[in-house]
Amino acid sequence: DAKTTQPPSMDCAEGRAANLPCNHSTISGNEYVYWYRQIHSQGPQYIIHGLKNNETNEMASLIITEDRKSSTLILPHATLRDTAVYYCIVRFASGSARQLTFGSGTQLTVLP
Amino acid sequence: DGGITQSPKYLFRKEGQNVTLSCEQNLNHDAMYWYRQDPGQGLRLIYYSQIVNDFQKGDIAEGYSVSREKKESFPLTVTSAQKNPTAFYLCASSISLGAEKLFFGSGTQLSVL
Repeated sequence: DAKTTQPPSMDCAEGRAANLPCNHSTISGNEYVYWYRQIHSQGPQYIIHGLKNNETNEMASLIITEDRKSSTLILPHATLRDTAVYYCIVRFASGSARQLTFGSGTQLTVLP
Repeated sequence: DGGITQSPKYLFRKEGQNVTLSCEQNLNHDAMYWYRQDPGQGLRLIYYSQIVNDFQKGDIAEGYSVSREKKESFPLTVTSAQKNPTAFYLCASSISLGAEKLFFGSGTQLSVL
């Protein structure tokens, strides 16, 4: 599975959009981009995933560049409850048996 | 409510002792997983199970054992051979191995006395 690079930490003002970047320059054509988040002392929570088109759901939007070497997770109106570590993961959707590999992620702090 | 239940929330182990962490799911998922998380680190895969009576080693299986006698249950035993067991342990499940979404429990914090 391709390796990802994320900034270790970011701040965002409450009510503003939070834009979390992820680099995955070695991604292959069949690998998807997944985002999970982990609130302190809890299990990770699935947010969204995509292959090449931009995706949106009730939680967030995922923007993937045309060359697929990077992506951005957008939380449109961040709240204090969005403070968490956000993980960007790349893997084949059909499942490497090794499953998801979680790196260190980005600590997002939403400020009042 | 459907979900994954891990117990206990906190667990203490004495030197040379085996301890078992419980994981139960009522999501009717075939696949289950155990991850270990150390402070400030990502998750590392310990064991996973594709189906009842089947399980495979992950990246850091040494010092751990699992069983999968029932679809709903995937207990993890931390044996005395695991010399550095203090960590946050997370259980997860998915509809099938390699499914798009993993559903996680709330974790067990294991500490050594």
